[in-house]
Amino acid sequence: AQTVTQSQPEMSVQEAETVTLSCTYDTSESDYYLFWYKQPPSRQMILVIRQEAYKQQNATENRFSVNFQKAAKSFSLKISDSQLGDAAMYFCAYSNRDDKIIFGKGTRLHILP
Amino acid sequence: DARVTQTPRHKVTEMGQEVTMRCQPILGHNTVFWYRQTMMQGLELLAYFRNRAPLDDSGMPKDRFSAEMPDATLATLKIQPSEPRDSAVYFCASGSWQHEGREKLFFGSGTQLSVL
Repeated sequence: AQTVTQSQPEMSVQEAETVTLSCTYDTSESDYYLFWYKQPPSRQMILVIRQEAYKQQNATENRFSVNFQKAAKSFSLKISDSQLGDAAMYFCAYSNRDDKIIFGKGTRLHILP
Repeated sequence: DARVTQTPRHKVTEMGQEVTMRCQPILGHNTVFWYRQTMMQGLELLAYFRNRAPLDDSGMPKDRFSAEMPDATLATLKIQPSEPRDSAVYFCASGSWQHEGREKLFFGSGTQLSVL
């Protein structure tokens, strides 16, 4: 069975600095998708970025980028120039070929002014 | 804007009572997921449907939980009887694997359930 592990329950970063959130996953499949979702205090789930496993190039969305290491089954999220609005719970997610989407337990990110 | 609608937003009930949560997926979406969020376990997948047929409900306690899609515009999650350990936020999410592939899930606002 596939699993997603986020080993950092909480992290803090100074405003304007860069922070990296870790995610590892376990799968025997070669075709899958990976995602990072953001959940602010409003409880709304917001897609931050996604990565197709067959693409070697790391996905980037403005200040958000990923470091996808397929062999190591690692999918970390880098947030550059952290802003107060980035404070939220961040979830890493995996989607298999049957489109079953599972999430990690989340990392709560604090932004220090 | 198209959105996933969940009702109720909050529910407080007593142990042993039946709880029904409802979800209206985005029109045209053919895949619906139910997740449960707790501090300890994060987001757990309870069940998901494709074209109203259940694909996987292995994450759901079968003795008390049931999930159905009576029609394409309604998904329900029932707990009977409810227990205090069921207290959590329950999310419904929908997506269209016909057009958007595995691009994005659209989440509802969740139902905050408290079982006393």
